[in-house]
Amino acid sequence: GENVEQHPSTLSVQEGDSAVIKCTYSDSASNYFPWYKQELGKGPQLIIDIRSNVGEKKDQRIAVTLNKTAKHFSLHITETQPEDSAVYFCAASKAGRRALTFGSGTRLQVQP
Amino acid sequence: DTGVSQDPRHKITKRGQNVTFRCDPISEHNRLYWYRQTLGQGPEFLTYFQNEAQLEKSRLLSDRFSAERPKGSFSTLEIQRTEQGDSAMYLCASSLAGASVTYNEQFFGPGTRLTVL
Repeated sequence: GENVEQHPSTLSVQEGDSAVIKCTYSDSASNYFPWYKQELGKGPQLIIDIRSNVGEKKDQRIAVTLNKTAKHFSLHITETQPEDSAVYFCAASKAGRRALTFGSGTRLQVQP
Repeated sequence: DTGVSQDPRHKITKRGQNVTFRCDPISEHNRLYWYRQTLGQGPEFLTYFQNEAQLEKSRLLSDRFSAERPKGSFSTLEIQRTEQGDSAMYLCASSLAGASVTYNEQFFGPGTRLTVL
């Protein structure tokens, strides 16, 4: 089955700096890659996603890139703010299978 | 617009007891998913429904677990004879499936945290 690896497991940045989180996936048939933000005591919140037919997508301070050949995708957060502090999860799924396979998460701490 | 809701938010039970959780999806969503999340890990898929049909079950879903979605709206997840290893956050998500929807945007509820003593 699909395996998604995520790193780093923890990331600490200064407010205003950029943060990058990377994920690799194993199943070349995967075609949908969402990113979720989870705050303490809450469910995961979808923040951005990318389909396999594009290489990059941006939404304000958040961007995601996808390299299908290398089977990896990354989340980029620019101009980080303290409210960006949370655990971020990448995930992958493929056509015909509805389940998402998640990475193990990255705890991002933005120091004011 | 209300998102996915789950009830209860917390449940403490003794080993061997049965527990039942409820999930109400986003109203127009026809797909509903259950995931389990243990501390420090990402969510793991358990099962999903399209309307009232249960279409996929993970190997994680032992025979002590049963899920239903009788009218294609809310869903329940029951765990019988709970074990300490069942302690986790149980997350529900929903999505919209249709001819014009190719991908699988899933929206999660706040989860039910189960503690088995």
